[in-house]
Amino acid sequence: GQNIDQPTEMTATEGAIVQINCTYQTSGFNGLFWYQQHAGEAPTFLSYNVLDGLEEKGRFSSFLSRSKGYSYLLLKELQMKDSASYLCAVSDSNYQLIWGAGTKLIIKP
Amino acid sequence: DTAVSQTPKYLVTQMGNDKSIKCEQNLGHDTMYWYKQDSKKFLKIMFSYNNKELIINETVPNRFSPKSPDKAHLNLHINSLELGDSAVYFCASMPGEVETQYFGPGTRLLVL
Repeated sequence: GQNIDQPTEMTATEGAIVQINCTYQTSGFNGLFWYQQHAGEAPTFLSYNVLDGLEEKGRFSSFLSRSKGYSYLLLKELQMKDSASYLCAVSDSNYQLIWGAGTKLIIKP
Repeated sequence: DTAVSQTPKYLVTQMGNDKSIKCEQNLGHDTMYWYKQDSKKFLKIMFSYNNKELIINETVPNRFSPKSPDKAHLNLHINSLELGDSAVYFCASMPGEVETQYFGPGTRLLVL
């Protein structure tokens, strides 16, 4: 079956760095997405990786290793507004997005 | 301008009722989706429409029926609502096959 695993919850301190991991097992691979979802709101796009390596976008970076079925989202200089759930999703061979359950990130002052 | 809009935002209804949720996107995207997000926060895809053609139909009960009058609209009709249908329903649209999905604000459905 198809599976996306990510930690349920993480806690970090304002100003620090946090890494949220995602491992996946899917039938085919057409890219991996990270979305951010604040409580009570819709998911919003953060990043897309289809080739191995690191994609950097401001304070956020996303890494992909296709051979390991592994990705991480790196958040630097954490701000209180970064408190949210972070969803990992993989596009499979049918271009269907398979979603993880999300990692709830709690930022403490 | 709102890119993907849904109505209503909140819906409280009794078991057994029939209800509809509407979705509209003004982005000119080819594909639209309906997702259900339950209390455990899993996003489960329910339906996908590409140019008015159903291309994904997950194993959802046939009480749920998508209706797409045109490329910009994908409505969700639910018959004989059950307690387990309580969830947040998100509409999303996407320009191509592997692209960013843009989500609507969600419809919070509570079945009593």
